[in-house]
Amino acid sequence: DVKVTQSSRYLVKRTGEKVFLECVQDMDHENMFWYRQDPGLGLRLIYFSYDVKMKEKGDIPEGYSVSREKKERFSLILESASTNQTSMYLCASSGGGGPSHQETQYFGPGTRLLVL
Amino acid sequence: SQKIEQNSEALNIQEGKTATLTCNYTNYSPAYLQWYRQDPGRGPVFLLLIRENEKEKRKERLKVTFDTTLKQSLFHITASQPADSATYLCALDDGSGTYKYIFGTGTRLKVLA
Repeated sequence: DVKVTQSSRYLVKRTGEKVFLECVQDMDHENMFWYRQDPGLGLRLIYFSYDVKMKEKGDIPEGYSVSREKKERFSLILESASTNQTSMYLCASSGGGGPSHQETQYFGPGTRLLVL
Repeated sequence: SQKIEQNSEALNIQEGKTATLTCNYTNYSPAYLQWYRQDPGRGPVFLLLIRENEKEKRKERLKVTFDTTLKQSLFHITASQPADSATYLCALDDGSGTYKYIFGTGTRLKVLA
């Protein structure tokens, strides 16, 4: 089974803090994604990585950065957290490293972030 | 840009009936379309993928159709059970040639016992 894990299920931070969200997948997938999910807005892509050290902006990259130093790990960084970044953050991976379709995304359990 | 429309209103159906969820898109026809299930507080889980040259795909009690003329996919759950209650998302490739997708906002299904 593909497993995608995220470092925290719940996180509470203060405005202005630097926040790190980590995601690890164990299926040797090339592609990794960070989304945020808000009621009524659905899943919105923040950043996408298709290889180690490679990244591409998604639809809403402002206020975020990412790091992919190893294939299995993709980190999302909020440089200076703001209240409008309160959301559910979901990491996903996809690729040809297993029996899955290349196109299928496997999601982690999500991190619910509250910025006060 | 591509837009996806899923019925944002919740769908309530009686146990044992067939649930039908709709996904409409507006622009280019995607090479494939996927359906995911999401339970409250959890990440989406992949259910089915259907390619543009396939009209229909089945998996156990699930069936997906893909009509590129109507720009629509229908997702059916036959003999529905309360355990099928969840939000169902459809997702299309974004046309960029990478494995990025656009997700619909999902339809919440509630199966009543």
